Amino acid sequence: DAGVTQSPTHLIKTRGQQVTLRCSPKSGHDTVSWYQQALGQGPQFIFQYYEEEERQRGNFPDRFSGHQFPNYSSELNVNALLLGDSALYLCASSPWGQGADTQYFGPGTRLTVL
Amino acid sequence: EDQVTQSPEALRLQEGESSSLNCSYTVSGLRGLFWYRQDPGKGPEFLFTLYSAGEEKEKERLKATLTKKESFLHITAPKPEDSATYLCAVHAYGGATNKLIFGTGTLLAVQP
Repeated sequence: DAGVTQSPTHLIKTRGQQVTLRCSPKSGHDTVSWYQQALGQGPQFIFQYYEEEERQRGNFPDRFSGHQFPNYSSELNVNALLLGDSALYLCASSPWGQGADTQYFGPGTRLTVL
Repeated sequence: EDQVTQSPEALRLQEGESSSLNCSYTVSGLRGLFWYRQDPGKGPEFLFTLYSAGEEKEKERLKATLTKKESFLHITAPKPEDSATYLCAVHAYGGATNKLIFGTGTLLAVQP
């Protein structure tokens, strides 16, 4: 079992550009959550997807959007990048309706905005 | 507003020197309190879940405890491989399935 996988590992973009990050959940998991972790901070909840729908959203602007595919994989899109978007973006997967202790995190994508 | 505060921000210990990390929380209704370990450049690794005041869990040199306002992660006779950032998070009632609210973490360095 490969666990939660994310791509790419690292990404460098310039202000104003758009970026797409990808996540494949752990086998048997159908719910994907995205978190943003700035340097020296704890992860912050961006949004969660289940059955290809956004189920809940954290305090992030509309520049952050996502998608979930029928195979449960997910994408996070960020438009009009700002310097402050530089962070480690974490994907976490779990089975819907199960406890948070069933949630596994991926290794993250390090996004640097110049 | 649900909130998690961790202290200290950083802790340096000598190998074998026991200590505790603190996590205080304010939450409308606690479904669970979580401890994670995070190594540099990697995702958080699950350690413990605590559900009710008075509960304790242990794993090797780590022991987590929970009261109605805070949790402690006790590290007994730490080794250099215990060096990492330790994150505390709460799962509140009324939130998204498995949405976690994290603290800023404690960076632990254990020197040989």
